[in-house]
Amino acid sequence: EDKVVQSPLSLVVHEGDTVTLNCSYEVTNFRSLLWYKQEKKAPTFLFMLTSSGIEKKSGRLSSILDKKELFSILNITATQTGDSAVYLCAVSYGGATNKLIFGTGTLLAVQP
Amino acid sequence: DVKVTQSSRYLVKRTGEKVFLECVQDMDHENMFWYRQDPGLGLRLIYFSYDVKMKEKGDIPEGYSVSREKKERFSLILESASTNQTSMYLCASSFAGAGNIQYFGAGTRLSVL
Repeated sequence: EDKVVQSPLSLVVHEGDTVTLNCSYEVTNFRSLLWYKQEKKAPTFLFMLTSSGIEKKSGRLSSILDKKELFSILNITATQTGDSAVYLCAVSYGGATNKLIFGTGTLLAVQP
Repeated sequence: DVKVTQSSRYLVKRTGEKVFLECVQDMDHENMFWYRQDPGLGLRLIYFSYDVKMKEKGDIPEGYSVSREKKERFSLILESASTNQTSMYLCASSFAGAGNIQYFGAGTRLSVL
């Protein structure tokens, strides 16, 4: 059975800390891995990863994929209270239908 | 900017009522999706549509149906709402083909009493 597992389930840090969120997957016909940020509204797209070892970066956020070991990490440096959110990992699989299978998410709380 | 709009943020219905959740996207996307999100279970796919009037069941279609009469609009229908359908419902859309980003609406939190 296809699955995406995120860890930790939740995390509390202080402003300025660096955090690493994990996502492992076992998905047939893997196409890409996506990260989303969900505050109390629509999940917003962060990164899409298709190739191993190539880091994607956006400001203080970065992510990398390891297709051999079947995992991805999302790093956030110098965390701010505005980073508090649920971070969702999803894997795109199959053919033209572009379906996603999601992990349960990591709840990040950044304290001042 | 992509915009996916869900008609209601919060909805309270009674058991047995017929419920319509509406979703509209403005990016001419071929694919549209309905998910429900529950604590500890993540997002689970209910139905998706890859073209007007075309639909496929997702992982948890029981108790739901969908309608896509126009490309920009995708409706989720609860024929007879039950308490176990209390959940957050998220709509998404994307271009056709694997590897395209899905864009999400803000969600509808449905409570069935």
